[in-house]
Amino acid sequence: QSVLTQPPSVSAAPGQRVTISCSGNSSNIGNNYVSWYQHLPGTAPKLLIYENKKRPSGIPDRFSGSKSGTSATLGITGLQTGDEADYYCGVWDSSLSASGVFGGGTKVTVL
Amino acid sequence: QVQLQESGPGLVKPSETLSLTCTVSGGFITFYYWSWIRQSPGKGLEWVGYISHSGNTRYNPSLKSRVSISVDTPKKQVSLNLTSVTAADTAVYYCARHPGGAAKSGYYFDSWGRGTLVTVSS
Repeated sequence: QSVLTQPPSVSAAPGQRVTISCSGNSSNIGNNYVSWYQHLPGTAPKLLIYENKKRPSGIPDRFSGSKSGTSATLGITGLQTGDEADYYCGVWDSSLSASGVFGGGTKVTVL
Repeated sequence: QVQLQESGPGLVKPSETLSLTCTVSGGFITFYYWSWIRQSPGKGLEWVGYISHSGNTRYNPSLKSRVSISVDTPKKQVSLNLTSVTAADTAVYYCARHPGGAAKSGYYFDSWGRGTLVTVSS
């Protein structure tokens, strides 16, 4: 059971838009920065979004991040077959048992 | 472009110690933090722990009694030791770099290795 809650899967047709939610609490998302990662099996995970909404160089603006209260959202527009992957949110949890935490992951399927 | 390469035994016996090394090339090992992250079969990512450029460590509370991370700056290597392993420790282990530590603005993983599979079995 992950500290951060993500939907197990989302799907859409090519060219469409998907959003992935990441729900936490005041100890993690509510007071710390959220990052998002794309992970294709057998490869190194890739940073997509950091500090809630910033994109590293080389990440297309089809990927966007936002945060409100204790939830964060990753948006992908203009969905492509190459976007089919697992996506994870990550944050530091500042509770008594302080630790880095990830969401359970969301599988994006391009129909 | 920094590159991270994990290495170590792919098979460890139960109750023994898992030891992995992450070798950093194409970038500085100083000024950054270095985490180990693992993914058990069919599951999501789990943060194991990190070490700062100054040698400060933070560990996942669920693993704290069994894990240690160290850094060899001249060799540009970060090491992970996990003692008393069980089948539940079977996972792909990743090394990852982050600019900042706990609850800081730099707590995000901007470079990752491709990971190494460690199986715990007799």
